[in-house]
Amino acid sequence: DIVLTQSPVLAVSLGQRATISCRASQSVSISSINLMHWYQQKPGQQPKLLIYRASNLASGIPARFSGSGSGTDFTLTIDPVQADDIAAYYCQQSRESPLTFGSGTKLEIK
Amino acid sequence: EVQLQQSGAELGKPGTSVKLSCKVSGYNIRNTYMHWVNQRPGKGLEWIGRIDPANGNTIYAEKFKSKATLTADTSSNTAYMQLSQLKSDDTAIYFCAMGVYYGYVMDAWGQGASVTVSS
Repeated sequence: DIVLTQSPVLAVSLGQRATISCRASQSVSISSINLMHWYQQKPGQQPKLLIYRASNLASGIPARFSGSGSGTDFTLTIDPVQADDIAAYYCQQSRESPLTFGSGTKLEIK
Repeated sequence: EVQLQQSGAELGKPGTSVKLSCKVSGYNIRNTYMHWVNQRPGKGLEWIGRIDPANGNTIYAEKFKSKATLTADTSSNTAYMQLSQLKSDDTAIYFCAMGVYYGYVMDAWGQGASVTVSS
């Protein structure tokens, strides 16, 4: 199984940049298509897709969210961070079954 | 608007089974895969498996192969997951999710269904 590793907590100040990383135990890319996706989950809610295939913004998601990376290393950036962004963020790969999620990064305000 | 409406909370005794439903409106489930994901209390997201409603083909994560059974009824546009031989460790929120706009990426999610296993 592909293991995705995320740091558990990230604390940032409002208005600053947040960089959330996700490292895969093996490449999740196929022919330059990066099969890594990012979700936001607020307490008591279902996950919401933010970024698909590493760098594509899902419909309705603010442009302060962006994604980058390829192969095994991926990053979700929130710039600038707003109070409404307090949530858990999960990466997820669809390169192969079983699909796997990272353990999640909780974004906190300093 | 695409909506996934999940069935309500379940309370099951150890050793019994529960069957969860996920009714889709606004999109034909034959055109996508339906995934199921769980989240134990205070924990992260875990993929259980997926079904192709068009032909009934399923793929399960190894640890759920004898726990979960995924089915789909295209006539009612509804997907189901049965959980068998319930144990306390099965206590979790269970989400259905599918891809609508971006291929097979999970871009539409149900609201989640709570399953509590207790005697």
